[in-house]
Amino acid sequence: QQPVQSPQAVILREGEDAVINCSSSKALYSVHWYRQKHGEAPVFLMILLKGGEQKGHDKISASFNEKKQQSSLYLTASQLSYSGTYFCGTDNNNDMRFGAGTRLTVKP
Amino acid sequence: DVKVTQSSRYLVKRTGEKVFLECVQDMDHENMFWYRQDPGLGLRLIYFSYDVKMKEKGDIPEGYSVSREKKERFSLILESASTNQTSMYLCASSSTSGRVQYFGPGTRLTVT
Repeated sequence: QQPVQSPQAVILREGEDAVINCSSSKALYSVHWYRQKHGEAPVFLMILLKGGEQKGHDKISASFNEKKQQSSLYLTASQLSYSGTYFCGTDNNNDMRFGAGTRLTVKP
Repeated sequence: DVKVTQSSRYLVKRTGEKVFLECVQDMDHENMFWYRQDPGLGLRLIYFSYDVKMKEKGDIPEGYSVSREKKERFSLILESASTNQTSMYLCASSSTSGRVQYFGPGTRLTVT
């Protein structure tokens, strides 16, 4: 029931872009994205509701394709502060499941 | 600001002991969740609760039970701790209308 995230890990140089994908086998009410820095709790980034919307937050944005049950997180012009593990959470009528995470490392 | 607190950051227990992990939230959220986090496996849902005295099994409930006697408090119980329950345990809460989950700092449990 966990959504599938890809890639498992990615290493970037500052200023490079990355895409993290999340897919589910179940119909979704919404998709959540969280970031967890080492030794800290996951922190909410954004939520996308069904309807195929796209959202942005600084240089981090996301899309949600309800028909395909997929979401993608886009990180543009990455900064050192973007490093961490990114989790997608899929919400099916308040039944939330998280993916295994994507470890993002941004190097100078 | 939403605050979710967990009773301990680090805990060391012996095999066979009964272990209680406590979680308290201060935002009057209806929903509360317990996850365990292991490298490469992400956040796996153990139990969740929609309301006081309500509980639902998640994906890995075996070996765990929960209690929610008050709205703000959700307890995870390991009836007889085993070494394979060594993990990071995260509690979260959310409102039914907002759905965003707010996480506590986590409890790193080691069972020896």
